Amino acid sequence: NAGVTQTPKFQVLKTGQSMTLQCAQDMNHNSMYWYRQDPGMGLRLIYYSASEGTTDKGEVPNGYNVSRLNKREFSLRLESAAPSQTSVYFCASQDPNQPQHFGDGTRLSIL
Amino acid sequence: TQLLEQSPQFLSIQEGENLTVYCNSSSVFSSLQWYRQEPGEGPVLLVTVVTGGEVKKLKRLTFQFGDARKDSSLHITAAQPGDTGLYLCAGPGSNTGKLIFGQGTTLQVKP
Repeated sequence: NAGVTQTPKFQVLKTGQSMTLQCAQDMNHNSMYWYRQDPGMGLRLIYYSASEGTTDKGEVPNGYNVSRLNKREFSLRLESAAPSQTSVYFCASQDPNQPQHFGDGTRLSIL
Repeated sequence: TQLLEQSPQFLSIQEGENLTVYCNSSSVFSSLQWYRQEPGEGPVLLVTVVTGGEVKKLKRLTFQFGDARKDSSLHITAAQPGDTGLYLCAGPGSNTGKLIFGQGTTLQVKP
């Protein structure tokens, strides 16, 4: 009964380093999303994927890239991390007209 | 740009008290969702309201969608420490269909 699994749960990076956040879902959902959550700002959409092989920008895509590797997996990459990207990152998946299911988040600090 | 504004941002009350959280916009939403998020976890959907004026109850939680579908409220009766958490409202953007989140209300219920 895993649902949406995100790895790692915590990560500390230095400015300029790169890293990939992993997300996998086992509910056979078509749509997957990446959000960032910052204090006092709710969740903001970074990128989403409506189906395998497609990705689109959300509200705050700058500094990020994504890959929809297959139907299960949707990864988020920071090529050159900046302190402004310190945040909690959430992955979610969804079937049409159904609620989104969220992972437990990746807490990322960039020094 | 569609925005959802939640108030208050922080609420600290004693067990047994009642409270109301508001989610307001100047834009019409086709539906609004309420999520609850506990520390270290992702948001979990509580309810979706779809019809203007709709009232939904979930045990001690009462959700209302405004007649004009521009606002919603969450009322908790006789709050308990287990109600502590971050409450988020969200609605689909009219242009993108992707969820727009309010900034959240942090509720602390003291025993």
